[in-house]
Amino acid sequence: SQQGEEDPQALSIQEGENATMNCSYKTSINNLQWYRQNSGRGLVHLILIRSNEREKHSGRLRVTLDTSKKSSSLLITASRAADTASYFCATDYNSGGSNYKLTFGKGTLLTVNP
Amino acid sequence: DGGITQSPKYLFRKEGQNVTLSCEQNLNHDAMYWYRQDPGQGLRLIYYSQIVNDFQKGDIAEGYSVSREKKESFPLTVTSAQKNPTAFYLCASSRLRDLPNEQFFGPGTRLTVL
Repeated sequence: SQQGEEDPQALSIQEGENATMNCSYKTSINNLQWYRQNSGRGLVHLILIRSNEREKHSGRLRVTLDTSKKSSSLLITASRAADTASYFCATDYNSGGSNYKLTFGKGTLLTVNP
Repeated sequence: DGGITQSPKYLFRKEGQNVTLSCEQNLNHDAMYWYRQDPGQGLRLIYYSQIVNDFQKGDIAEGYSVSREKKESFPLTVTSAQKNPTAFYLCASSRLRDLPNEQFFGPGTRLTVL
């Protein structure tokens, strides 16, 4: 099955700096989602971008999607220590009929140092 | 409060035992999902259910079983046939079963085989 691949695997920055994470995928998608996971916890949905959208904003988050390159980026501006977490991209695929599933990448571990 | 609950938070199992992980949601969501997460890895889909009394295998269903007798409940049984069950298990739900939409996650159950 297709899978998003995040890059880098780990990122360490200082508070106040911007953090950029990238995701590449293999086949055509309907939409791409980004999730956040604090250590040992469940995932929290951050943003969904559809295949006909190129950019989307939500607070300090900016997501871009380039379907020609099969890639997406997540930018967190003015990072805070509380942004420390793993970030996953998830792509959808239709397994046939009316089913809808997501495939998750391995994630980027972001550490924001105070 | 609406949400997804998983229990127990930690579970220890002896080799050869079956164990059942609980997942309950009061969000009135149609679809529910079970994922497995290994250290430093993304999520892999075990089973999913789009409606009551129906479920489908995901990418790594071998050694696992599920049931969906009620809309709000989707328990996962890890059987003795699962060769390497030690992992973090996440349950999720989504409102729609056939359109792109976000998934809501529970806090997870960490299973350790002794």
